Amino acid sequence: QKEVEQNSGPLSVPEGAIASLNCTYSDRGSQSFFWYRQYSGKSPELIMFIYSNGDKEDGRFTAQLNKASQYVSLLIRDSQPSDSATYLCAVGGGSNYKLTFGKGTLLTVNP
Amino acid sequence: ETGVTQTPRHLVMGMTNKKSLKCEQHLGHNAMYWYKQSAKKPLELMFVYSLEERVENNSVPSRFSPECPNSSHLFLHLHTLQPEDSALYLCASSQERTARTGNTIYFGEGSWLTVV
Repeated sequence: QKEVEQNSGPLSVPEGAIASLNCTYSDRGSQSFFWYRQYSGKSPELIMFIYSNGDKEDGRFTAQLNKASQYVSLLIRDSQPSDSATYLCAVGGGSNYKLTFGKGTLLTVNP
Repeated sequence: ETGVTQTPRHLVMGMTNKKSLKCEQHLGHNAMYWYKQSAKKPLELMFVYSLEERVENNSVPSRFSPECPNSSHLFLHLHTLQPEDSALYLCASSQERTARTGNTIYFGEGSWLTVV
């Protein structure tokens, strides 16, 4: 059973702080890793993807991948109230072409 | 606007009704998906179509019947549903069906289904 685990939260951070979202996965052969943001009542929207070990930065967002530890994270710098949403980690490739989603972490950024 | 359009956005149906959800993608993708999202659960993949051929059916009850007439359109036909089928149904598309590097899935806005 291939699994993607996320802390369901809620994770609460003050405005301007760094929010750190974590995800672990069980399929060691996984090759592609995605972070989606989902506002309440809306559909998931892609914010980051990463395929190689290390860090990938895009504006205020940094994705970090450590395949040896089977761990992927998302850092949000200078968090804003508009970042308040559920963040879904998705993992794909490997022995199964399908994308497997975690349950998501609810992030609340307090003004 | 993600390029994936779903209708209707909200649907209330009785357990004896027959209804359909519609999805259209304007991205030129070759793979389309139906996902189900229920409260407190991860996104569940229901069906995958690649080049109009169904390539995945994740043990979904037969009261859900997908149809993919061409690479841009996807339907989910619903009949004799149960209250526990109430959920957000998401259509998605990607360039190809493999979750390899470079192949990103884009979601539509979703259809909120309530079965009464």
